[in-house]
Amino acid sequence: GIQVEQSPPDLILQEGANSTLRCNFSDSVNNLQWFHQNPWGQLINLFYIPSGTKQNGRLSATTVATERYSLLYISSSQTTDSGVYFCARRGTGNQFYFGTGTSLTVIP
Amino acid sequence: DSGVTQTPKHLITATGQRVTLRCSPRSGDLSVYWYQQSLDQGLQFLIQYYNGEERAKGNILERFSAQQFPDLHSELNLSSLELGDSALYFCASSLRPVGQDTGEQYFGPGTRLTVT
Repeated sequence: GIQVEQSPPDLILQEGANSTLRCNFSDSVNNLQWFHQNPWGQLINLFYIPSGTKQNGRLSATTVATERYSLLYISSSQTTDSGVYFCARRGTGNQFYFGTGTSLTVIP
Repeated sequence: DSGVTQTPKHLITATGQRVTLRCSPRSGDLSVYWYQQSLDQGLQFLIQYYNGEERAKGNILERFSAQQFPDLHSELNLSSLELGDSALYFCASSLRPVGQDTGEQYFGPGTRLTVT
């Protein structure tokens, strides 16, 4: 089946630090999304990024489809960035297969 | 706000009972997806409907069923509930039909089900 691996599983940052989260795929990527699940459980779309690079404020993402990975960059982290970050790729039926997530804690 | 609504937000019920979760997709979206997030299984795809028809099935138990109505809202029915069914159930919607290369999905706030 489709394997989606995320690293690191846990990350603790001091406020203001930068971080890089990684997502590896077992096969080719044709559709990928990054999500942030906040402490209240809500899944928030961050990026829809099947390939290339996108930026939104302090966050940016890069997907290299040919090498089967995607990166999420968080700069100048804030306590509100805490939560779990998921990447997900689309299957043949349009459903998403999620990684196991990276749990981020930003401490003041 | 993603535009996808789910009700109820929380549900507490006993083993053996049956519950119905409701989802309204974003305006104009034709596809509805249901996902289950549990502590031991992570986020898993359950089932997809497109314009009223079932299009894809994932790890959905036989005790679970879903449907999408003409107004495109969807319901997920969970019956003979077990303790292990306790989870966060998400609904997502997207516009694109099956077969197209795009299909960004927007997730609702989820329904937290607790089976006691």
